[in-house]
Amino acid sequence: AQKITQTQPGMFVQEKEAVTLDCTYDTSDQSYGLFWYKQPSSGEMIFLIYQGSYDEQNATEGRYSLNFQKARKSANLVISASQLGDSAMYFCAMKSGGFKTIFGAGTRLFVKA
Amino acid sequence: EAGVTQFPSHSVIEKGQTVTLRCDPISGHDNLYWYRRVMGKEIKFLLHFVKESKQDESGMPNNRFLAERTGGTYSTLKVQPAELEDSGVYFCASSLSARGPNTEAFFGQGTRLTVV
Repeated sequence: AQKITQTQPGMFVQEKEAVTLDCTYDTSDQSYGLFWYKQPSSGEMIFLIYQGSYDEQNATEGRYSLNFQKARKSANLVISASQLGDSAMYFCAMKSGGFKTIFGAGTRLFVKA
Repeated sequence: EAGVTQFPSHSVIEKGQTVTLRCDPISGHDNLYWYRRVMGKEIKFLLHFVKESKQDESGMPNNRFLAERTGGTYSTLKVQPAELEDSGVYFCASSLSARGPNTEAFFGQGTRLTVV
């Protein structure tokens, strides 16, 4: 069965420091995609970054990078130089084979000034 | 380009009443999805449209939920009659491409439904 696990319900980070949000996944498919979404207090889901299962290099998008370790089935999100506006809920998600995306339970990030 | 829009943003209804949620996908996106997040739990897939056809409705919880997508444009999700456990945030998403793991879905801001 396909599953996404986020073990950190809440995280605190000091402004300007880096933070890693954990995500592990389980799938028997060889081809899959991993996504991270941000959900601020306003409620919308914002796409942050994508990593394909066949991509050899870790994905990066500005201050976001995805630490992809295929053998360990982990896809951790690293946010560098945290900003107050990064405080939000973060969801790890996976899409494989079919159309639907499955999500983890989310991690709430608090950035302290 | 306008994103995925959902209406209303919030809805509070009494148990037993009917509520209809609306989603307008990004123009040209054939694929439209409904998801739901019940408080404290993960986001769950409800169903998927390709144009006006239901491709996968395996996540629909029961027959009190009815989704339509007339003409392959906007979609509605009706809950009738609503129960307390239906409370949560309902997300709509759309994507351009067909099957494939590298096609992210663009989400709307969600509709927060509270059944009292």
